[in-house]
Amino acid sequence: AQSVSQHNHHVILSEAASLELGCNYSYGGTVNLFWYVQYPGQHLQLLLKYFSGDPLVKGIKGFEAEFIKSKFSFNLRKPSVQWSDTAEYFCAVNARGATNKLIFGTGTLLAVQP
Amino acid sequence: SAVISQKPSRDICQRGTSLTIQCQVDSQVTMMFWYRQQPGQSLTLIATANQGSEATYESGFVIDKFPISRPNLTFSTLTVSNMSPEDSSIYLCSVIPDRGPDTQYFGPGTRLTVL
Repeated sequence: AQSVSQHNHHVILSEAASLELGCNYSYGGTVNLFWYVQYPGQHLQLLLKYFSGDPLVKGIKGFEAEFIKSKFSFNLRKPSVQWSDTAEYFCAVNARGATNKLIFGTGTLLAVQP
Repeated sequence: SAVISQKPSRDICQRGTSLTIQCQVDSQVTMMFWYRQQPGQSLTLIATANQGSEATYESGFVIDKFPISRPNLTFSTLTVSNMSPEDSSIYLCSVIPDRGPDTQYFGPGTRLTVL
């Protein structure tokens, strides 16, 4: 069965610090990969996605993620975080061709201190 | 993307009662889903809401507990039946726009507390 692991449950950073949130998945086939973000009081929003092609994908607000197939990883990065990046971040996976079932990680709560 | 609204945004209910949650999309979509996010946990797919036929439920979820209606391509309801405190969760609907490449967009969620 597919599963998604997010290693960091709670991350606290100061503004301008660099961010990397880990995401690993287990699935033997081809996958689509997503990062969603939920800002305080707001609904879940798509941050970025990877389907194929360049394994380094860029999303909104300066975020990027790199798909490393050999490591089954899709880590999220941002070189310099801002207070407004305080949110919960979810990694999600679905098997290519099975678009109805998104498997989510448990989420990482990021708090950025001004 | 798609603009998705849900009603109610939150509710507090008594044990043994039922609550129906509505999901409205601003455009016609074929694929619509219902998820649950229990406190401190991740999102779990409950079912796919199929227009014109019965919903497709994931393992661990049954129609008697979570009946779903999908009368047209812009609207769906999820009912949480005979509620217990364990049903306290956020319930979200999501859609895949018909013109979008396999990406799900989520509604704002309904925060349900069962006493």
